[in-house]
Amino acid sequence: EAQVTQNPRYLITVTGKKLTVTCSQNMNHEYMSWYRQDPGLGLRQIYYSMNVEVTDKGDVPEGYKVSRKEKRNFPLILESPSPNQTSLYFCASSLDPGVNQPQHFGDGTRLSIL
Amino acid sequence: GIQVEQSPPDLILQEGANSTLRCNFSDSVNNLQWFHQNPWGQLINLFYIPSGTKQNGRLSATTVATERYSLLYISSSQTTDSGVYFCAVAGWRDDKIIFGKGTRLHILP
Repeated sequence: EAQVTQNPRYLITVTGKKLTVTCSQNMNHEYMSWYRQDPGLGLRQIYYSMNVEVTDKGDVPEGYKVSRKEKRNFPLILESPSPNQTSLYFCASSLDPGVNQPQHFGDGTRLSIL
Repeated sequence: GIQVEQSPPDLILQEGANSTLRCNFSDSVNNLQWFHQNPWGQLINLFYIPSGTKQNGRLSATTVATERYSLLYISSSQTTDSGVYFCAVAGWRDDKIIFGKGTRLHILP
């Protein structure tokens, strides 16, 4: 089954404690991205990647890191989490944003930073 | 960057009613998608429609690229249509994807 898998689904942690949210897709997609969703703001893109070893900033990259060492994985790293990063996070993948292929989303990760 | 505006922000309808959701964007796009976020938070693809018209059952969408807007039509609404509908676009200048803030739809039984 084609899917995007995020882990963990829920996480409560404290300020400053490094954390990683994993994302994996099994569709051999080139394009992967991370979004955060906040009330009243919709989804905002954090980082995206067009292929292995190619990553670019989205609209809200501050405080986040990503890596794309393998095509299937695109982890989101918070080196020193802060309360303003409390949010619902989504990973997504697609063949290419400019061709007729939909984005597939993971089920989301709800992060609470205390 | 591209600005995406969706209207209305909220919509409350009786079951069986029809609705039209609008997405305006500020620049030409090479990708436009409509998504439904269900009450469990899952994001479901509805349409990939950078131009033209598509239909899928009770849902249809039209994008008029030259006038920079897209419309999502929902006919004979059902309570399971409730949730938030997002429009997302990608422009020609980069590969960023920009979402609108969504339309929250409540279908009353």
